[in-house]
Amino acid sequence: QKEVEQNSGPLSVPEGAIASLNCTYSDRGSQSFFWYRQYSGKSPELIMSIYSNGDKEDGRFTAQLNKASQYVSLLIRDSQPSDSATYLCAVNGPGNTGKLIFGQGTTLQVKP
Amino acid sequence: DGGITQSPKYLFRKEGQNVTLSCEQNLNHDAMYWYRQDPGQGLRLIYYSQIVNDFQKGDIAEGYSVSREKKESFPLTVTSAQKNPTAFYLCASHEGLDYGYTFGSGTRLTVV
Repeated sequence: QKEVEQNSGPLSVPEGAIASLNCTYSDRGSQSFFWYRQYSGKSPELIMSIYSNGDKEDGRFTAQLNKASQYVSLLIRDSQPSDSATYLCAVNGPGNTGKLIFGQGTTLQVKP
Repeated sequence: DGGITQSPKYLFRKEGQNVTLSCEQNLNHDAMYWYRQDPGQGLRLIYYSQIVNDFQKGDIAEGYSVSREKKESFPLTVTSAQKNPTAFYLCASHEGLDYGYTFGSGTRLTVV
């Protein structure tokens, strides 16, 4: 079992719709969870972080965390073509090393 | 502006050749990381350093070496022992365990 799993997609949604991206992780001791956006040929950029169960909203983005189910998700409301990218889920690794473990990423396509 | 500078952006390596990828940061971060990304895959950790003059192997350290003589610099050498080095290499740093990474713009290495 992979430590951090994402559906590779592609996930295709029409412009203006809600895109839902999902991620599961295997280490119950994980405390920090991050979503990165990566455009083709570019480096990842941090868009959301979440540490507590529940929802965290930032503009059109909402991160959701359920530690009991070992599940973290990212919702993008009013999806725009500029949101088309690969979204990487990352979870802190064991120990106080600052290591992040990344999923393989979900490719999102927003169609005009 | 603070950030991480990676150079070169593109690098071509001949068989049996060692090459060094540069990573410099002016964020005053203690911890620095090197990841490798292959097409359609997530990021895999090569080496990391939490403090000057100290570094640790990541999940795929074989065929790579690093040094951390200065806080600002964390160069990665891809040795001839790395048999499949063609990939996108990303350097990252963070200011604390609960913060996400800041990434450099990456180096794309190709074997010719």
